Amino acid sequence: AQSVTQLDSQVPVFEEAPVELRCNYSSSVSVYLFWYVQYPNQGLQLLLKYLSGSTLVKGINGFEAEFNKSQTSFHLRKPSVHISDTAEYFCAVKDSGYSTLTFGKGTMLLVSP
Amino acid sequence: DGGITQSPKYLFRKEGQNVTLSCEQNLNHDAMYWYRQDPGQGLRLIYYSQIVNDFQKGDIAEGYSVSREKKESFPLTVTSAQKNPTAFYLCASRGPGGWQNSPLHFGNGTRLTVT
Repeated sequence: AQSVTQLDSQVPVFEEAPVELRCNYSSSVSVYLFWYVQYPNQGLQLLLKYLSGSTLVKGINGFEAEFNKSQTSFHLRKPSVHISDTAEYFCAVKDSGYSTLTFGKGTMLLVSP
Repeated sequence: DGGITQSPKYLFRKEGQNVTLSCEQNLNHDAMYWYRQDPGQGLRLIYYSQIVNDFQKGDIAEGYSVSREKKESFPLTVTSAQKNPTAFYLCASRGPGGWQNSPLHFGNGTRLTVT
């Protein structure tokens, strides 16, 4: 079965500091990987996706993620966070053998002044 | 603007009652999905439909039912058989083509509280 592990349930960080949110997925020959963001009481919004090609993927709001096949990871990074980045972030995977996405349990990013 | 509308935003019901959550989209998407979100659990797939008049169970379908009579509508019924119905429910849709061209689009969710 396809699966995703988000290692941190909460990540506290100060404004303007860098941040990395970790995501590991179950191994497969071919996967698509996604990061979504959810603001309180709202739906999820796509941040970025990895389909193939360059392992460094840039998304909206200054976020980027790096696909690492050997470590089966897809960590999300931002060099300098803002208060407005406070939200929950979900990593998701779609294996070539499946027709739906599987989501991780989410990481709450808490940015304080 | 095209999008997904979930209504109502908040819903309260007494235990033992069935309740139907609405999901409407005007994106002309074929595929629609229902997810349940609980704190610390992430999103879990309840049901999905890839075409009108067809749907499949997801990982946690027990106690739920759906219908897909129209392309734009995918209502979810939470039945009295669902043991822990209180949760945040998210509807999503996806356009034609592969996942590389059509990621999931989400509605803003319905928060259901059953007492």
